[in-house]
Amino acid sequence: NAGVTQTPKFQVLKTGQSMTLQCAQDMNHNSMYWYRQDPGMGLRLIYYSASEGTTDKGEVPNGYNVSRLNKREFSLRLESAAPSQTSVYFCASSEAAFEKLFFGSGTQLSVL
Amino acid sequence: GENVEQHPSTLSVQEGDSAVIKCTYSDSASNYFPWYKQELGKRPQLIIDIRSNVGEKKDQRIAVTLNKTAKHFSLHITETQPEDSAVYFCAALRYTGGFKTIFGAGTRLFVKA
Repeated sequence: NAGVTQTPKFQVLKTGQSMTLQCAQDMNHNSMYWYRQDPGMGLRLIYYSASEGTTDKGEVPNGYNVSRLNKREFSLRLESAAPSQTSVYFCASSEAAFEKLFFGSGTQLSVL
Repeated sequence: GENVEQHPSTLSVQEGDSAVIKCTYSDSASNYFPWYKQELGKRPQLIIDIRSNVGEKKDQRIAVTLNKTAKHFSLHITETQPEDSAVYFCAALRYTGGFKTIFGAGTRLFVKA
């Protein structure tokens, strides 16, 4: 039982490159989320999927897209990376929307 | 807009002392308040949560109190231990009119042995 698994753990991109962060959970949770964490700013919600088949914008969605591939998987795509997207990204899941979140181990992304 | 203010940003206590972290929220429709602990380089983990119909909740050395009138809630850690050293985040969630959850900026707690 791995919980929430996200890949990669580290990534360096050049400005303008694209990439997809992958996330999968094996807890049969309905809801999944992508957060970014910047120093002194807590966790900010990028996108979420309250249930399979739905996705919604969070606080900071600009520059990102998401896909809820199935109940287990929720990916985050950066189409044209910018230095402002340098951050630590966390995927999370929960049974009930926004309650008792289980987080993945994070992706450290640097955009040069 | 809605926000959650968390204080202090840094807290240093002696092992065995108590630690208190406070959060205030602006959205009166908020009705679920979790606390997450994040050790250095690790993922955030839920340690305790409280709903708006409850004033206090305890789990061993950890307790959370909620004052809905004043719109603030607090995390209390008693008999602190070095392994309590971490960053603690509060959050406020409302369900009405869609989901909206806001995290505080975090409190870095140091427990000195």
